[in-house]
Amino acid sequence: DGGITQSPKYLFRKEGQNVTLSCEQNLNHDAMYWYRQDPGQGLRLIYYSQIVNDFQKGDIAEGYSVSREKKESFPLTVTSAQKNPTAFYLCASSIEGDRGHSYNEQFFGPGTRLTVL
Amino acid sequence: KQEVTQIPAALSVPEGENLVLNCSFTDSAIYNLQWFRQDPGKGLTSLLLIQSSQREQTSGRLNASLDKSSGRSTLYIAASQPGDSATYLCAVGIYNFNKFYFGSGTKLNVKP
Repeated sequence: DGGITQSPKYLFRKEGQNVTLSCEQNLNHDAMYWYRQDPGQGLRLIYYSQIVNDFQKGDIAEGYSVSREKKESFPLTVTSAQKNPTAFYLCASSIEGDRGHSYNEQFFGPGTRLTVL
Repeated sequence: KQEVTQIPAALSVPEGENLVLNCSFTDSAIYNLQWFRQDPGKGLTSLLLIQSSQREQTSGRLNASLDKSSGRSTLYIAASQPGDSATYLCAVGIYNFNKFYFGSGTKLNVKP
């Protein structure tokens, strides 16, 4: 079955620790995205990548980092610089990353819930 | 910056009722608009995608309309069922850099 997987489902972070969230897709999509969702709020874009080895900051990139070494994978690292990381993190992909167009449908993974201890 | 608003934040209806969820956006220069469903603790499931050149899309009991000039979209759910209970979010895609802006959602409860 084609889709997007995220792991782990739950993640706990101690103060000062970096953690990495995994996102893998087998849909052959070019574009991938990371969003953060806080209770009662919409999704906010952290980072996005239109093609391999290229990524752009979203609206709330501070304290986060990403890499895109493979088309299928777009891991997100939450660094110790992110002061309020407790949230639900969602990864998404869309079929085409043509610069200047966002007309394609987004598909989402099941999410990772990160909690700071 | 594009701002997306969904009203009401929560809605409770009896089973069988037809209902409309609203989504408004501030900048009409959008490329598309997508409606999603989110169950508690889960990811988003795509329901309908409307391109900027389209006025509506239908899938089963769902119908989504788009009026770019007024900055509004509606999601119509016919003959609602308890299984429709979830949070419904809309997202608008803008022309630059594959970015999408999300509303905060409408939490729907369909009572048996």
